[in-house]
Amino acid sequence: AQKITQTQPGMFVQEKEAVTLDCTYDTSDPSYGLFWYKQPSSGEMIFLIYQGSYDQQNATEGRYSLNFQKARKSANLVISASQLGDSAMYFCAMSPYTGRRALTFGSGTRLQVQP
Amino acid sequence: NAGVTQTPKFRVLKTGQSMTLLCAQDMNHEYMYWYRQDPGMGLRLIHYSVGEGTTAKGEVPDGYNVSRLKKQNFLLGLESAAPSQTSVYFCASSYPQGTQYFGPGTRLTVL
Repeated sequence: AQKITQTQPGMFVQEKEAVTLDCTYDTSDPSYGLFWYKQPSSGEMIFLIYQGSYDQQNATEGRYSLNFQKARKSANLVISASQLGDSAMYFCAMSPYTGRRALTFGSGTRLQVQP
Repeated sequence: NAGVTQTPKFRVLKTGQSMTLLCAQDMNHEYMYWYRQDPGMGLRLIHYSVGEGTTAKGEVPDGYNVSRLKKQNFLLGLESAAPSQTSVYFCASSYPQGTQYFGPGTRLTVL
């Protein structure tokens, strides 16, 4: 079984500053993927970034980077140069590389970017 | 390229009524999933399919049935709706080791 923990229910950040959203996970699977999704107020789930458990380097996608520390079982999302449009719910999720490969989600962090 | 689509977008049911939610994807993905999202929570897996003609239960399958008669479609049925099934339902699809892409969601209210 997998478990995702997001300990920050809400975060505030000033526009143009960087922010880190925390995510820790627990799994007995030897190989897995870690994902971050953004859910704006409109409700859709938008894929942001992916990190494989065997990847040596941290994933980056534009202003998003994933700070992956396997020994600590953490997969924090870093958003650089925050924009007003970044205000949303952010979900960390993981899936094993075997079996049904369904996602297990955390409870989310609501990020508010202030001008 | 439509990606993953869901119909309907909104629905209100009375307790005991039935309905079917349709998910369609045009990315030729083998895997498809149905999740539900309740207020203040992440998504939870209801049912999933790893290929045409195959379905399996997820974490919260009670009260739901699914079918995957065509590779591109995944149907979620509620035979006798209950207020506890008031939720937002998301469909997703992926390649076996790929990223899951989500539909826009269906907001269901059961009175």
